[in-house]
Amino acid sequence: GAVVSQHPSRVICKSGTSVKIECRSLDFQATTMFWYRQFPKQSLMLMATSNEGSKATYEQGVEKDKFLINHASLTLSTLTVTSAHPEDSSFYICSARDKGTMSRRYTFGSGTRLTVV
Amino acid sequence: SQQGEEDPQALSIQEGENATMNCSYKTSINNLQWYRQNSGRGLVHLILIRSNEREKHSGRLRVTLDTSKKSSSLLITASRAADTASYFCATDAGSGAGSYKLTFGKGTKLSVIP
Repeated sequence: GAVVSQHPSRVICKSGTSVKIECRSLDFQATTMFWYRQFPKQSLMLMATSNEGSKATYEQGVEKDKFLINHASLTLSTLTVTSAHPEDSSFYICSARDKGTMSRRYTFGSGTRLTVV
Repeated sequence: SQQGEEDPQALSIQEGENATMNCSYKTSINNLQWYRQNSGRGLVHLILIRSNEREKHSGRLRVTLDTSKKSSSLLITASRAADTASYFCATDAGSGAGSYKLTFGKGTKLSVIP
């Protein structure tokens, strides 16, 4: 079945530094990938939709300059948290849909636990 | 914004019992999906039910959808300790081939006691 690989699974960084999270579809092509943020014991909040070869679409309230998204190929999207602060500490999850099918089923990465100290 | 609202927020049952989780949503949908999340992990797709379907089965899972009430339920029969996880419903309201977006509910945390 479709697999989405997300790295790193855990990262601890100092306040003010930037962190890049990768989301890679391993056996399918994904025109669109999605980035979610999840606070402890809460649901997933969609941050942005990443479109291959074009600019990402951000949800209301999400800072574009803070959360940089790049979708340079049909199998890779990256989320960079710039100038991270402790309040950015969260669980980030990506998902993707196989462009080669009519399925509306999404495959999720295993998530990245970001801790900013 | 969150569309789905699950209830209960938390559910604790004995192994072997059935677990029922409910989800309500607000707008028209193309389909509704249920996902499972083990603590600190990614989401695993369980089942997808289209807006023109009323019931769907997959192994020990049974999902119903009532579009008139904008609600869905997930039933897990003969629960096992390994079913312990958080369960989320997600609505897909996309209206065209190029429109894909999932909106998640708050989730139900299920604990199955051995």
